[in-house]
Amino acid sequence: EAQVTQNPRYLITVTGKKLTVTCSQNMNHEYMSWYRQDPGLGLRQIYYSMNVEVTDKGDVPEGYKVSRKEKRNFPLILESPSPNQTSLYFCASSPWDTGSEQYFGPGTRLTVT
Amino acid sequence: GENVEQHPPTLSVQEGDSAVIKCTYSDSASNYFPWYKQELGKGPQLIIDIRSNVGEKKDQRIAVTLNKTAKHFSLHITETQPEDSAVYFCAANMDSNYQLIWGAGTKLIIKP
Repeated sequence: EAQVTQNPRYLITVTGKKLTVTCSQNMNHEYMSWYRQDPGLGLRQIYYSMNVEVTDKGDVPEGYKVSRKEKRNFPLILESPSPNQTSLYFCASSPWDTGSEQYFGPGTRLTVT
Repeated sequence: GENVEQHPPTLSVQEGDSAVIKCTYSDSASNYFPWYKQELGKGPQLIIDIRSNVGEKKDQRIAVTLNKTAKHFSLHITETQPEDSAVYFCAANMDSNYQLIWGAGTKLIIKP
């Protein structure tokens, strides 16, 4: 089944404790992206990747890191999480860029206390 | 910066009636306008999209219209059904085609 998977689905952590949210797609897509979703703000892009080893900042990259060492995986890293990073996070992939359908993962709800 | 405004934030309609959600965008270079539906507890899913060389596109009960001059586009759902209840997002691509700018979302409630 073609899909985007994220892990974990739910995470409660404390300020400053490094964490990684994994994202994997099995559709051989070139483009992958991370979004955060907050009430009343819609989806805001954190980072995106056009291909292996090629990444760039989105609208809200501060406090986040990403890497794209393999085509299928695009982990999101929070080196020192803070309470303002409490949010719902989505990973998405598409065949080439944002001019094509994006396939979203199920989301990761992160709470930082 | 680039912006997409979406209205209304909440829309309540009687089952069987039509629903219209509107978005305006600021980047005149945008040429791709998708609409996504997000059901509770799930990620957004594409329901329809339109490119700038087309004024209208229809898929069964769903249609999207685009007015490039006014820089706005709309989602039309006819004969609404309970399963249409969800949050709907519009978006517009940026010139680079590697970023989408999203509207804030519209919560559609279908009343029985």
